[in-house]
Amino acid sequence: GAVVSQHPSWVICKSGTSVKIECRSLDFQATTMFWYRQFPKQSLMLMATSNEGSKATYEQGVEKDKFLINHASLTLSTLTVTSAHPEDSSFYICSAVGSGIAISNEAFFGQGTRLTVV
Amino acid sequence: AQSVSQHNHHVILSEAASLELGCNYSYGGTVNLFWYVQYPGQHLQLLLKYFSGDPLVKGIKGFEAEFIKSKFSFNLRKPSVQWSDTAEYFCAVSVNRDDKIIFGKGTRLHILP
Repeated sequence: GAVVSQHPSWVICKSGTSVKIECRSLDFQATTMFWYRQFPKQSLMLMATSNEGSKATYEQGVEKDKFLINHASLTLSTLTVTSAHPEDSSFYICSAVGSGIAISNEAFFGQGTRLTVV
Repeated sequence: AQSVSQHNHHVILSEAASLELGCNYSYGGTVNLFWYVQYPGQHLQLLLKYFSGDPLVKGIKGFEAEFIKSKFSFNLRKPSVQWSDTAEYFCAVSVNRDDKIIFGKGTRLHILP
C-alpha cells in the first residue's frame, strides 16, 4: 500500500526556536497533503490543506504565519512551527492523497511527529 | 461544513463481548465515511471505508460498519472483541475522495482480559 513518512518522529526544542517537520509520500505522488494536530486524548484537528505548487489553505483559527506550510514537490510537504512556545507542544500528523487506480484518491497518514517545546 | 459526532467517549467491554460504536455525521450531500483506529503509541490505521455501493462495509480485523443514509449514521460493529482491540477509534467523513477528512472526537475502547 501507499506509504507516508514523517520526519522526525519526535522533537524537543527550546521556546522561541523554529521546528520543521517533513511529510513524504514514498511510493506515490501526492497531489494534496493535509496537516493535522492532535492534543493528548483528543481528536485530530485539521490545520491546513496544501496542494503542490500553491499556497496552503488554513482552517479557521490556525495562524498561517506561525505554521508555515510548503508543498514544493509532489512527494514532500513541510510544516514549520515558527517561534515555538510550550502551548505548541502537540502531535502533528500529515496525510497525503494521490491519484491512480491502486490508491483511488484515498488519504494515507504518516506516523506523526511529537513536538515538545520546553 | 461537514461534522462528525461519536456518541461514546469511553467504552469498557470484556473479551468476547459484542461491540457497536455510534457515529453520526452532518452533511446534506454525498459523503465518504471512514473508521480509523489508533493503537497505543501507534499511528492511525484505516479500518474500513464507505464510498458507494453496498452500505454494509467489511474491514480489517473482523470489523464492519453500516451506512444508514436516512439516519446519517455509520456505526462500527464487531461481534466478538479481543483484548488486542484496545485502542482509540475515530469516525471520519469527507465530501470528495481527495478532500479533507474531518474526524470525530474519538472513542476510547478498553477491553478487559
